[in-house]
Order: sequence, then C-alpha cells, then structure tokens
Amino acid sequence: SQQGEEDPQALSIQEGENATMNCSYKTSINNLQWYRQNSGRGLVHLILIRSNEREKHSGRLRVTLDTSKKSSSLLITASRAADTASYFCATDLTGNQFYFGTGTSLTVIP
Amino acid sequence: EPEVTQTPSHQVTQMGQEVILRCVPISNHLYFYWYRQILGQKVEFLVSFYNNEISEKSEIFDDQFSVERPDGSNFTLKIRSTKLEDSAMYFCASSVYSGDEQYFGPGTRLTVT
Repeated sequence: SQQGEEDPQALSIQEGENATMNCSYKTSINNLQWYRQNSGRGLVHLILIRSNEREKHSGRLRVTLDTSKKSSSLLITASRAADTASYFCATDLTGNQFYFGTGTSLTVIP
Repeated sequence: EPEVTQTPSHQVTQMGQEVILRCVPISNHLYFYWYRQILGQKVEFLVSFYNNEISEKSEIFDDQFSVERPDGSNFTLKIRSTKLEDSAMYFCASSVYSGDEQYFGPGTRLTVT
C-alpha cells in the first residue's frame, strides 16, 4: 500500500514548545503534502515538498523529506493553542490521487 | 481568497436513495477530486477528474458512484443507491495542475439511515 503513516498517533505539548510529527511511506512518490484538520472540519493545506527537495519552510512550519528512508517530518516551532488539530501527510504517486495517513492528533496546552 | 465550496453541508438520506453532492472548485483550477472520510478513519481517495474525464479512481469508486461537471463551475458526485456504509464526510478538492497543492472544501456530511 502507498499509505503514509504518521507517528506518533497523539502528541500533547505545552504552548511554546516545538512539535515534531513523522510520516513514513512505502513506495516512490512525486511529492508529499502535509494537511491540518480541526475536529469535524475540512482539510487545510500546509505545505508541499517534492521528491527532489529535502527541506521546506513556511512560517513556523519546517518539513523535511528523506526519500532514501521514505520518510518526512513536520516541525511546528513555538506552538500555540490554535495549532491543536490533527495533522496528516498525503503522498502522491501519480499526480492524480493522494494517499492519506491516519494522522497525528496534536494537543497544545495553553 | 478563493476557496472550494460544497453543498449541502449535511445530507440525510434513506438507504437505497440517490444523492448528489455538489462542489464548486476554485475557478482557475483544472483538476478535481473527491475524497471521503468515515468517522474516525483516514481520508480516502475516490476519484480524480480532468478535462471532463475521470483520470483515476480507487476501488471504492464502483458503479454506484459517478462524477460530472455539468457546467463551467460545478463538480458533482452522485451515489445512485446509497448504503449504510456510505455514511461519511465527503470532501471535494481542486488543484491547478496535476501533482500540485490540492485545496479542500469544508465537506458534506452524508448520513444514510
């Protein structure tokens, strides 16, 4: 299966701390994207990293991609209570469909 | 900022009935997608659509499902004869190019009774 799998499944941190989530996948990909989902809401696109890139930044977000290990990480620095959500990685094999992982549930305690 | 919209936000239907879920993708996007998320489970790909044709579909997207772009703005998902297990959130997404960022709508919660 192409599915991305995130770990940890759940993460609880204090406001101001950094949060790191990992994603592993099984086959070669074109790109990998990270999404956030607040409870009962839609998916919000965070960042896309292509297979020929190793690191990307967007504001407080830093994403790395290691294609040799078939893994990616999402780092949220200086976390805020508003960052509380589920975070998913989605891998793109063909460009026309994404496989989502089961997600990491992040709780940021004020 | 442009966004993907979906209607209705919640649809309740009886088993065996047909439902049509509607989406308005972002206007300059060319690729359209449907996903579903059963409560408590991960988001699953259903179908991608480009140039008025299905590009790819998953094994979930069987003969009970169909998609259509009836005009220049709407993108619809039809389920012909709903089953209890079709109860889920259905998300529409669109992107400018294949393999690009996909922007998701807020979803339609489908409840089949």
